[in-house]
Amino acid sequence: QSVLTQPPSVSAAPGQKVTISCSGSNSNIGNNYVSWYQQVPGTAPKLLIYDNNQRPSGIPDRFSGSKSGTSATLGITGLQTGDEADYYCATWDSSLGPEGWVFGGGTKLTVL
Amino acid sequence: QLQLQESGPGLVKPSETLSLTCTVSGDSVSSNDYYWVWIRQPPGKGLEYIGTISYSGGAYYNSPLNSRVTLSMDTSKNQVSLNLNSLTAADTAVYYCASRQWQMYYFDSWGQGALVTVSS
Repeated sequence: QSVLTQPPSVSAAPGQKVTISCSGSNSNIGNNYVSWYQQVPGTAPKLLIYDNNQRPSGIPDRFSGSKSGTSATLGITGLQTGDEADYYCATWDSSLGPEGWVFGGGTKLTVL
Repeated sequence: QLQLQESGPGLVKPSETLSLTCTVSGDSVSSNDYYWVWIRQPPGKGLEYIGTISYSGGAYYNSPLNSRVTLSMDTSKNQVSLNLNSLTAADTAVYYCASRQWQMYYFDSWGQGALVTVSS
């Protein structure tokens, strides 16, 4: 059981938009930055969003992040088949000590 | 740009100790710019944080694994290492090392991962 809750799966057609939610509590999302990772099957996770809504260089602006209260959301517009992957949210949980990092259970994105 | 590469045995017997190494290139493991993190992923499951070792060698562990895991650093080889003892089948996973920059709250560089199977 993950500390952060994500839907197990989402799907949408190419060109459409999808959102993935990540729900937590005051000790984690509510008071700390959220990051998002994309994991194509068989490969390592890749940083997609950091500090709630910042994109690393090279990440297209089709990907966006937001946070409100104890929940965060990843948005992907203009879906492409190459976006099919697992997506994970992560943050620090202050109740778990100085390096109390937690992940969501992951969401599998299917582009129909 | 950092590059991280995990290495170690692919198969370990139950009750034995797993030793994995993460070789870092692009900067020194003792650079005060970085924390080094281990994360694992059981087959078909999500990511689980294992622990962190800082540039100064201070280590922090995820509570459920606290009693079984040790992280260390070899500055002469520019490597960080993970030891996990009393292995069971539940420790079968892909083990990743990753980096977190000082005062940053995300993992920006990842190794390719090392699959470890615990089986007799």
